[in-house]
Amino acid sequence: DQQVKQNSPSLSVQEGRISILNCDYTNSMFDYFLWYKKYPAEGPTFLISISSIKDKNEDGRFTVFLNKSAKHLSLHIVPSQPGDSAVYFCAARYNNAGNMLTFGGGTRLMVKP
Amino acid sequence: DTAVSQTPKYLVTQMGNDKSIKCEQNLGHDTMYWYKQDSKKFLKIMFSYNNKELIINETVPNRFSPKSPDKAHLNLHINSLELGDSAVYFCASMGGYYNSPLHFGNGTRLTVT
Repeated sequence: DQQVKQNSPSLSVQEGRISILNCDYTNSMFDYFLWYKKYPAEGPTFLISISSIKDKNEDGRFTVFLNKSAKHLSLHIVPSQPGDSAVYFCAARYNNAGNMLTFGGGTRLMVKP
Repeated sequence: DTAVSQTPKYLVTQMGNDKSIKCEQNLGHDTMYWYKQDSKKFLKIMFSYNNKELIINETVPNRFSPKSPDKAHLNLHINSLELGDSAVYFCASMGGYYNSPLHFGNGTRLTVT
C-alpha cells in the first residue's frame, strides 16, 4: 500500500531545459513534504521541502509546488545541469510518533549535455 | 566530519549468520532511524529511536534488533540472516523540529549468499 507514488521511474532532459519530477500521495494527513536527491553508493541528501500551508517553495534552481486538492507535488529544476543527474525521492510526513518519512519509489533523472 | 556515518559500507555473509551494522551521528540529534532500500529501490522505515527509546517498530522480523547505547548511536543487529535480507540499509537522524529533514548515512549494502 504505497502512500507516496512517483509514477515515472526515469526522466531524460537536455542540459539547460526544465526538469519536472512528479509525486502523488494518498494520505490526506500528510502535512510536510520533502525532496531528496541520491547519487549511487551514497545516502539520500535533502534538497527542498514544503509545508501543506504553502503551495510553492523556491530555493535557487529548485522549486517545489504542492496541489493539496489533487494530492500532488512536483519538483522543478531550472535550468537542469548534468550534475543534477541522480535519483530523486519524494517523501511525506504527518504528525505521528517518530515523525518518520514515507518515501516514493524514486525517479532517475538524466541530464544530457 | 561526517554527520551520519555507518559501518561497514559493504557486508557479504552467508545465510544463518548473525551480523551487526553500526551507526553514529555527530549532529546532536535526538531521533535516529533505520531504513531499508529493497531491490525495487523503495526506502522503507524499519525503526525509530528517540533519545535511546524505541518509538517506531514497523513490521520487521524479530531477527532484527536495534540497540541504542546513547542518543548518538543506533546499531542494527540481524540474527539468522536470510537471502531476503539482502538490501541496502540506511541510518538517519533528525533534529528536534517537526520541519527538520532527515540526514542519512551512506548506507550499508548487505548481501546474503
